[in-house]
Amino acid sequence: EAQVTQNPRYLITVTGKKLTVTCSQNMNHEYMSWYRQDPGLGLRQIYYSMNVEVTDKGDVPEGYKVSRKEKRNFPLILESPSPNQTSLYFCASSLTGGRTDTQYFGPGTRLTVL
Amino acid sequence: AQSVAQPEDQVNVAEGNPLTVKCTYSVSGNPYLFWYVQYPNRGLQFLLKYITGDNLVKGSYGFEAEFNKSQTSFHLKKPSALVSDSALYFCAVRDRIISSSASKIIFGSGTRLSIRP
Repeated sequence: EAQVTQNPRYLITVTGKKLTVTCSQNMNHEYMSWYRQDPGLGLRQIYYSMNVEVTDKGDVPEGYKVSRKEKRNFPLILESPSPNQTSLYFCASSLTGGRTDTQYFGPGTRLTVL
Repeated sequence: AQSVAQPEDQVNVAEGNPLTVKCTYSVSGNPYLFWYVQYPNRGLQFLLKYITGDNLVKGSYGFEAEFNKSQTSFHLKKPSALVSDSALYFCAVRDRIISSSASKIIFGSGTRLSIRP
């Protein structure tokens, strides 16, 4: 089954404790992206990647890091999480990142930073 | 700057009645427009998109949307609502300007659709 998977689905952590949220897709997509979803704000893009070793900032990159060492994986790293990073996070992928591409979303990771 | 507005946080409709979820946009030139749906505890799923051609776009689950250039709108519609349509709906836009960021997509804030039996 074609899908985007994220782990963990739920995470409660404390301020300053480094964490990684994994994202993997099995569709051989070139483009991958991370979003955060907050009430009343919709989805805001954190980082995106057009291909292996090619990443770029989205609208809200502060406090996050990403890497794209393999085509299928795009982990999101929070080096020193803070309470304002409490949110629902989605990973997405699309075939090429072209403007008409449909994005495929993972099931989401709900992060709480205490 | 690109922007998308979904003016209604919530839309309530009785089952069997027609539904409309509103979306307006601001972007340079003609946009590419998308609707996604989010069911509880799930990621977003693609519903439909407008690229070019016929202004009326048909998508999944009986939904359709009409691109209106003069009103800069892309409202989502369905002739007869089902209880199972209850979900969170997002409108999204991308511009066609080659020189701009190739991968920026702007999402609206979402509209919660509630269909009562």
